[in-house]
Amino acid sequence: DSGVTQTPKHLITATGQRVTLRCSPRSGDLSVYWYQQSLDQGLQFLIQYYNGEERAKGNILERFSAQQFPDLHSELNLSSLELGDSALYFCASSVQGSGNTIYFGEGSWLTVV
Amino acid sequence: EDQVTQSPEALRLQEGESSSLNCSYTVSGLRGLFWYRQDPGKGPEFLFTLYSAGEEKEKERLKATLTKKESFLHITAPKPEDSATYLCAVQGALAGTASKLTFGTGTRLQVTL
Repeated sequence: DSGVTQTPKHLITATGQRVTLRCSPRSGDLSVYWYQQSLDQGLQFLIQYYNGEERAKGNILERFSAQQFPDLHSELNLSSLELGDSALYFCASSVQGSGNTIYFGEGSWLTVV
Repeated sequence: EDQVTQSPEALRLQEGESSSLNCSYTVSGLRGLFWYRQDPGKGPEFLFTLYSAGEEKEKERLKATLTKKESFLHITAPKPEDSATYLCAVQGALAGTASKLTFGTGTRLQVTL
């Protein structure tokens, strides 16, 4: 158990809908990361937050947004969902940022039908 | 842009048959090279972080080494429970607390009796 908690574990939704994925980082970790893993793309970095502020951005679609709240939990919002958004979405956390070990949660499996 | 290439894509070993997995990388200012193990449908499990060329780390049957261009994960006398996908990732230099990992596509290891 990495200490990173993600909910929901599985989610099935229709195209065009909006979903929110939630992440609680390890106790004491200030950085939260979101990654997407699909069969043909591997693990792709989406976005990083540190202590409530956006710090680094990857190839995150404009339909996707994230935030980190004062209690350090984070949410990833996915809107206008398409079939191609079906993937495993991982949250990860670390104490700070560069050089620190990054621990991953068990993921939220999103299926868009 | 940071890049990570892992080889082979898949590896089948008999129990006790030692081998090595390769991770070649290009990165601007290496802050860390990470090895993770991932089981199907699960989150990546942290194994090692290497920070500078010449560094080595060991854990049970696994040993990770690092040069300026590549890293190796040596598996000595593997057991069936070592079967998993092994992921390599690099963390490059970003300003301040910004951080992200760039992953390779992994090596799928199968260890048979």
